[in-house]
Amino acid sequence: GDSVTQMEGPVTLSEEAFLTINCTYTATGYPSLFWYVQYPGEGLQLLLKATKADDKGSNKGFEATYRKETTSFHLEKGSVQVSDSAVYFCALSDRGGGSQGNLIFGKGTKLSVKP
Amino acid sequence: DTAVSQTPKYLVTQMGNDKSIKCEQNLGHDTMYWYKQDSKKFLKIMFSYNNKELIINETVPNRFSPKSPDKAHLNLHINSLELGDSAVYFCASSQDPLRDQPQHFGDGTRLSIL
Repeated sequence: GDSVTQMEGPVTLSEEAFLTINCTYTATGYPSLFWYVQYPGEGLQLLLKATKADDKGSNKGFEATYRKETTSFHLEKGSVQVSDSAVYFCALSDRGGGSQGNLIFGKGTKLSVKP
Repeated sequence: DTAVSQTPKYLVTQMGNDKSIKCEQNLGHDTMYWYKQDSKKFLKIMFSYNNKELIINETVPNRFSPKSPDKAHLNLHINSLELGDSAVYFCASSQDPLRDQPQHFGDGTRLSIL
């Protein structure tokens, strides 16, 4: 079945460091890919998405490119801030597969940014 | 105004009890969901409802029953609570998941079983 694998955390960085969180997926259909962020004590919020191969999603300085050849959707940010400390979830929605448009999440990666 | 609101935020109860968690969305969305997040932050979908019709029910014990009195509400009722039910439960909604509309999440209900 469909699945999402993302790098395990926690990831600890200093402010202004470069961030990469790896995400790869397995899907039987034509997935759309998402990154969600969960700040402490809150629900998940959509950070960015890409719906087809080679699309780049971006928001708040974060970017991720849909790479079909490597089945990846890595999250990057050039200069992280303390306020970026959160748990980041990679997810897919496979309209052509068995998930019927529902989201399948990776296990989450906790990011801590130190001043 | 909160888009997806769920109550209570915290729920502490004993094994064997029956409890409900309420969820309301004011976004006019057609689809609502319940997720369970375990202590390791792993999120798994439990149910989704589209126009009051259950469209997915993953391998969830039948002690869990979603109830949707109308399109804006999807409540979660749990019978005979067990220790393993301790988790954070999230409600979410979306307009059209098959068109990749984003899901909007509530802030979660932390359920602790004593």
